Amino acid sequence: DIQMTQSPSSVSASVGDRVSITCRASQGISSRLAWYQQKPGKAPKLLIYGASSLQSGVPTRFSGGGSGTDFTLTISSLQPEDFATYYCQQAASFPLTFGGGTKVDIK
Amino acid sequence: EVQLLESGGGLVQPGGSLRLSCAASGFTFINYVMSWVRQAPGKGLEWVSTISGSGANTYYADSVKGRFTISRDNSRNTLYLQMNSLSAEDTAVYYCAKGRGTSVSCADYWGQGTLVTVSS
Repeated sequence: DIQMTQSPSSVSASVGDRVSITCRASQGISSRLAWYQQKPGKAPKLLIYGASSLQSGVPTRFSGGGSGTDFTLTISSLQPEDFATYYCQQAASFPLTFGGGTKVDIK
Repeated sequence: EVQLLESGGGLVQPGGSLRLSCAASGFTFINYVMSWVRQAPGKGLEWVSTISGSGANTYYADSVKGRFTISRDNSRNTLYLQMNSLSAEDTAVYYCAKGRGTSVSCADYWGQGTLVTVSS
């Protein structure tokens, strides 16, 4: 199975800050990586697929990069509605696996 | 507009069974893989199972293999998850999710989730 490791597990930031979250796969997954945002009590929302493609309707302050084993989600200027938990997921092979999550909260 | 509406969750005793349903609309159901993903209280996301568009291919997490069965009725645009031999470790919100593509893929739309509680 492919293990997905996210870091950090939590980050405190202010509105307007640039925030980056990393995700590492235990083996190469090409660009088969997605990022999701989840707010308390709500379903996850797809932000990025194919490591760097922005899902329709997602603000352009979100961007993704990387390939192989190392990936990054960047929020260029944090907005109040961005405080949430973020998950990466590999979509290269079954079983599909998620990272442990990164909680972004208010400093 | 894509909509996914789960139902069938509730309280069940250990060893019991439950069947979840997910009614889909707003897209051509047969063209997409569908998955179930769960989230235990206060925990992260865990993939449970995926089924191909035709229903011919199914995939399961080791934690549910042999106990859970995923299926779909393409005439009714409905996804199912039959859960047997339930234990406390299966307590979670279960989400139905539409795949972006026709095979291994991420999920671009999710239902609101249905809570399954396994307790005596």
